[in-house]
This record gives sequence, structure tokens and C-alpha cells, in this order.
Amino acid sequence: GAVVSQHPSWVICKSGTSVKIECRSLDFQATTMFWYRQFPKQSLMLMATSNEGSKATYEQGVEKDKFLINHASLTLSTLTVTSAHPEDSSFYICSARVRVLGTEAFFGQGTRLTVV
Amino acid sequence: AQSVTQLDSQVPVFEEAPVELRCNYSSSVSVYLFWYVQYPNQGLQLLLKYLSGSTLVESINGFEAEFNKSQTSFHLRKPSVHISDTAEYFCAVSPGSGNTGKLIFGQGTTLQVKP
Repeated sequence: GAVVSQHPSWVICKSGTSVKIECRSLDFQATTMFWYRQFPKQSLMLMATSNEGSKATYEQGVEKDKFLINHASLTLSTLTVTSAHPEDSSFYICSARVRVLGTEAFFGQGTRLTVV
Repeated sequence: AQSVTQLDSQVPVFEEAPVELRCNYSSSVSVYLFWYVQYPNQGLQLLLKYLSGSTLVESINGFEAEFNKSQTSFHLRKPSVHISDTAEYFCAVSPGSGNTGKLIFGQGTTLQVKP
């Protein structure tokens, strides 16, 4: 089956530093990847849509300069949280859409970010 | 625009009892419908989906959901639950036409199966 891998699975960083999260599609090409944010006991909120080779499309209210998204290849997208603050602490999940079968998105295991 | 409402935030149930997790959606266009399951500190796993055709869809682990267009619902059911079904369940929709893969999620329902 289609596998999406996120790295790291958890990270703790100091306030003011930047953190990069990777999302890889291991056995398929993903033209589109999505980044979600999930607060405790809440649903997933779409942050941005990342298309290979083009700029990401951010949802309303998401700061594009703070959450930098790069989708340089068909198997890799990265989310960089710049100048992280404690309120950025959250569970970040990526998903990747299978290029041929466009109706399903496969999810990574998520990254738990804690900013101290 | 689409929206999803999961009517129950928590559903406690005893093992081997039946369960129904409710999901209603709103959309001005046709949609694809999904149920995902999330175990603690993990990503989401697709449980089942409705794209077209038969309105009753089933998963390999005994769950089923029925698409009801007139009631704009996609309730998830299982006739007999196990302890291992304890998890968070999310209903989601995606526009059917010109589908981009973007998913709109409901608030989630915590299924708590008690022995």
C-alpha cells in the first residue's frame, strides 16, 4: 500500500528556533501534499496545500512566513516552523495524494512539536 | 464550501455492543466521504470511503457506513465492538468534482469501549 513517512515523530525545541518536519511518500509519487495541524482533543485543521514545483497554497489565517513549505520533489515536502513559540506546540500531520488515484490521501504518522 | 459535523464528541460503549458514530455534512456540490481512525499519537488511517455507487460501504474490520444524500449523513456503524476499537474517529468530506484531495474534517468522536 501507499506509505507516507514523517520525520521526526517528535521534537522539542527552544523558543525562537526553527524546526523542519519532513514528509515523504515512500512508494508512490505525490503531486500534492497537505499539511494539517491538530491541537489536543481537536480535529485536524488544514494549514496548506503543497504542489510539487510550485508555491504552497495557505489556508486563511495561516502565516506563510512562519510556516514555510517546500515541495521540491514528487516524494518530499517539508514544513519549517520558523521562530517557534510555545503556542506553536501542536501535532503536525502531513498527507499525500496518490498521483494516479486522485481520490485518496494517505497520512503520515504525525510529528509532535513541543516548544519550550 | 463544505463542512462536517460529528454530533457526538464521546461515545462510551461496552464491549460486544453495537455502536453508531454520527456524521452530517453540508455541501453545495457532490462530495466524497471518508471515515478515518486515529490511535493515540499516531496519524490517520482510512477506515472506509464513499465515492460513488452503492451507498453502503464496508471496512475489513467490521465497520460500515451508509451515505444518505437526502439526510446529508454518513453515519458509521459496527454491530459488535472490541476493546481495540477504542480510538478517535474522524468523518471527512472532499469535493467530488475537480477533486484536489483536500479534506475537511469533523470535530472527531472518541469511541471508548469498556470491558
